Amino acid sequence: EVQLVDSGGGLVQPGRSLRLSCTGSGFTFGEYAMTWVRQAPGKGLEWVGFIRREVHGGTAEYAVSVKGRFSISRDDSKSVAYLQMNSLKTDDTAVYYCARYSSCRGGICYSGGWFDPWGQGTLVTVSS
Amino acid sequence: QSVLTQPPSVSGAPGQKVTISCTGSSSNIGAGYDVHWYQQLPGTAPKLLIYGNNNRPSGVPDRFSGSKSGTSASLAITGLQADDEADYYCQSFDSSLSDSRVFGGGTKLTVL
Repeated sequence: EVQLVDSGGGLVQPGRSLRLSCTGSGFTFGEYAMTWVRQAPGKGLEWVGFIRREVHGGTAEYAVSVKGRFSISRDDSKSVAYLQMNSLKTDDTAVYYCARYSSCRGGICYSGGWFDPWGQGTLVTVSS
Repeated sequence: QSVLTQPPSVSGAPGQKVTISCTGSSSNIGAGYDVHWYQQLPGTAPKLLIYGNNNRPSGVPDRFSGSKSGTSASLAITGLQADDEADYYCQSFDSSLSDSRVFGGGTKLTVL
């Protein structure tokens, strides 16, 4: 079974740092880009960023709201993606989900990929 | 304000059909980028419902279908069931924004 497990959330003070982990199983982790999406309490989904496969440079892209504060990395040998969150603000309070990013299926590629599956999410609360 | 616009809520009786719209612009859906849909049941993570405008992953009932035309896309749900009550989100790619992967604001489906 293809599965992602998110971990590392918790209560943190404004200005501090936190690192989230996303552990994959049931698929070859290194063959996929990985993404992070967050959902503030009672709000919709917000894309945070994603990291390409190593064969595509392993580079990352970020939403404007987190650029310069958050960074995404990956360790394919452990099937883990990380979201390092620095200089946290109260507005960063949310459930954070990782998801596998795909743009091709059944030999057909699409312009702009989708997120499947998703981890169960981990809650990050930024408060003093 | 989301880049993709969805109605905040829709409702329907069991057995009926509902449609959820997702309106974009010339830099996302109108530029030819594909649209994907997710279902989020209460208290759970989102789940992929439709990919590439109108394709269902295995395990998704054929009561769910997607379409795209011009700068808009739609999700149709036929034969409404009580457990379809959830939030639904569309998602696409936008070429004009730094935040390239964009979601709609979400639509709450209530089964009456």
